[in-house]
Amino acid sequence: KNEVEQSPQNLTAQEGEFITINCSYSVGISALHWLQQHPGGGIVSLFMLSSGKKKHGRLIATINIQEKHSSLHITASHPRDSAVYICAVPPFKGGGADGLTFGKGTHLIIQP
Amino acid sequence: DTAVSQTPKYLVTQMGNDKSIKCEQNLGHDTMYWYKQDSKKFLKIMFSYNNKELIINETVPNRFSPKSPDKAHLNLHINSLELGDSAVYFCASSQGSGGATQYFGPGTRLLVL
Repeated sequence: KNEVEQSPQNLTAQEGEFITINCSYSVGISALHWLQQHPGGGIVSLFMLSSGKKKHGRLIATINIQEKHSSLHITASHPRDSAVYICAVPPFKGGGADGLTFGKGTHLIIQP
Repeated sequence: DTAVSQTPKYLVTQMGNDKSIKCEQNLGHDTMYWYKQDSKKFLKIMFSYNNKELIINETVPNRFSPKSPDKAHLNLHINSLELGDSAVYFCASSQGSGGATQYFGPGTRLLVL
């Protein structure tokens, strides 16, 4: 079973700061997911990436497959970025439907 | 239009009761999932269905049973509810395997008294 570790667990920063959240996993994967859970509870998929880097607005996700490590960066952070960010991986299999294994999440608070 | 919907949003019930949570997706996806989020906010896979076939059952008690009347629906039935079943249950869907982007429903908050 894949073990997913995230750090930090909690992060409080000032508006405008550059944020980095890290994720490492134990077994090779086909892709890695970054999810955002809003304070209201809804879960949104931010990125799914299998190599390199992806960017969406102020969010950047990178992955190093060899090192089994991914990072999520937020540039020019804003209070509306306050949420729980969750890293998740599928089992490494050839096919079929597989549920995600989740990290414990990083609770991010951006103060004005 | 909501992509993945769940009903009810909140469910409060007594121990020992039987309850169901419904999930529907209008994305045309072939795979649906049920996840449980415990009191510590940790998410864990319960079931996945691909083309009406159960693919995963992650050490979930057999009091929990997923039922899929068609590709767009995956309902969760829970028999003999216990206090420890209190959690938030999320339905999700994707097209293809777990490597595909998953779309989550809003969650159902279950409280067993």
